[in-house]
Amino acid sequence: EIVLTQSPATLSLSPGERVTLSCRTSQSVSSFLAWYQQKPGQVPRLLIYDASNRATGIPARFSGSGSGTDFTLTISSLEPEDFAVYYCQHRSKWPLTFGGGTKVQI
Amino acid sequence: EVQLLESGGGLVQPGGSLRLSCTASGFSFSNSAMTWVRQGPGKGLEWVSSINVGDDGPYYADSVKGRFTISRDNSKKTLFLQMNSLRADDTAVYYCATKYSSSSPWFFDLWGRGTLVTVSP
Repeated sequence: EIVLTQSPATLSLSPGERVTLSCRTSQSVSSFLAWYQQKPGQVPRLLIYDASNRATGIPARFSGSGSGTDFTLTISSLEPEDFAVYYCQHRSKWPLTFGGGTKVQI
Repeated sequence: EVQLLESGGGLVQPGGSLRLSCTASGFSFSNSAMTWVRQGPGKGLEWVSSINVGDDGPYYADSVKGRFTISRDNSKKTLFLQMNSLRADDTAVYYCATKYSSSSPWFFDLWGRGTLVTVSP
């Protein structure tokens, strides 16, 4: 099983700040990594797939990078609605796994 | 409207069984690989099981292998998860999910609202 480790667990930030979230995988997943956003009481929303492709309707302030074992989700300037938990997920091989999440809070 | 709607959750005793359903609408269900993901109370996302449209799979997380069975009825546009020998740590909201538009296989841009399964005496 590929283990996804997200860091930090929690980030305390202010609107307008730049955010960089990390996801490291225990073995290479090539570029087969996605990022999701989940707000309290809501279902997860796909932000980025295959490391760097924005999903439909996702604002340009969200970007993804990385390959192999190290990946980054960047939010260029935090909006109030971006405070949420962010998860990474790979699809390199079975079983699929998710990271433990990073909470971005005010 | 494009949507997934789960049902079948509830309270069940340890060792009991439940069958979850996920009904799809607004897209080609028969051509869509489908997945169950769960989220325990206050916890993160956990992949449970996936079923493809072809002959490969289905696939299960080790934590549910041998206890859960995923299946589909394309004529009814419905995905199922038969859950047996339920344990307290199976308590979670169960989501069905799929790739709908911009995405790659086994990434999920369409999710249902989830159904709560509580395993307790």
